[in-house]
Amino acid sequence: QSALTQPASVSGSPGQSITISCTGTSSDVGGYNYVSWYQQHPGKAPKLMIYEVSNRPSGVSNRFSGSKSGNTASLTISGLQAEDEADYYCSSYTSSSILFGGGTKLTVL
Amino acid sequence: QVQLQESGPGLVKPSDTLSLTCAVSGYSISSSNWWGWIRQPPGKGLEWIGYIYYSGSIYYNPSLKSRVTMSVDTSKNQFSLKLSSVTAVDTAVYYCARLEINGVYFDYWGQGTLVTVSS
Repeated sequence: QSALTQPASVSGSPGQSITISCTGTSSDVGGYNYVSWYQQHPGKAPKLMIYEVSNRPSGVSNRFSGSKSGNTASLTISGLQAEDEADYYCSSYTSSSILFGGGTKLTVL
Repeated sequence: QVQLQESGPGLVKPSDTLSLTCAVSGYSISSSNWWGWIRQPPGKGLEWIGYIYYSGSIYYNPSLKSRVTMSVDTSKNQFSLKLSSVTAVDTAVYYCARLEINGVYFDYWGQGTLVTVSS
């Protein structure tokens, strides 16, 4: 089982929108609607931002949205804010196991 | 409010067994949720270790399965992790978390505890 593939880094200016991709296979991302996204600020625990591909937990800004097409899931953040600068990880279920992506560092310019 | 707190030695010698406990408060560990461990080596990404149900059903990461043991103590509302034969590559921040099995996502996390493997 290999980790899911994410870009190492993305950047955007305040107010802009960015998208982070998460590529897997038909055995994980493509095979189940069990993709989640986590935000992690330095020195902090990960925080759930999106679950089951596109659902937001209570309290998470609607600027965060998720989607999936085939074996690739995506996290979009609109109206970028300075506080969005963090590492983002995708996760997917596969055959009783859980895979994480390698993480993407978001820089708000 | 569900809260999780990891505890255990911060320093473990190579070839020894790493032992951590996760105390759960604000929620019964016997409720319909699973409980998991995730680790993060310094400067690296997240790695799933395993998840366990209060009844004892367990799933481990295949890459760690031969060295991992997880257990639940419902009387203390906590669950535990043991990782045997540790080496420097096991140095990481270890997180415990609640797993919502219906959607397979971790919705509550502990703050994490750094475990360093060194002589």
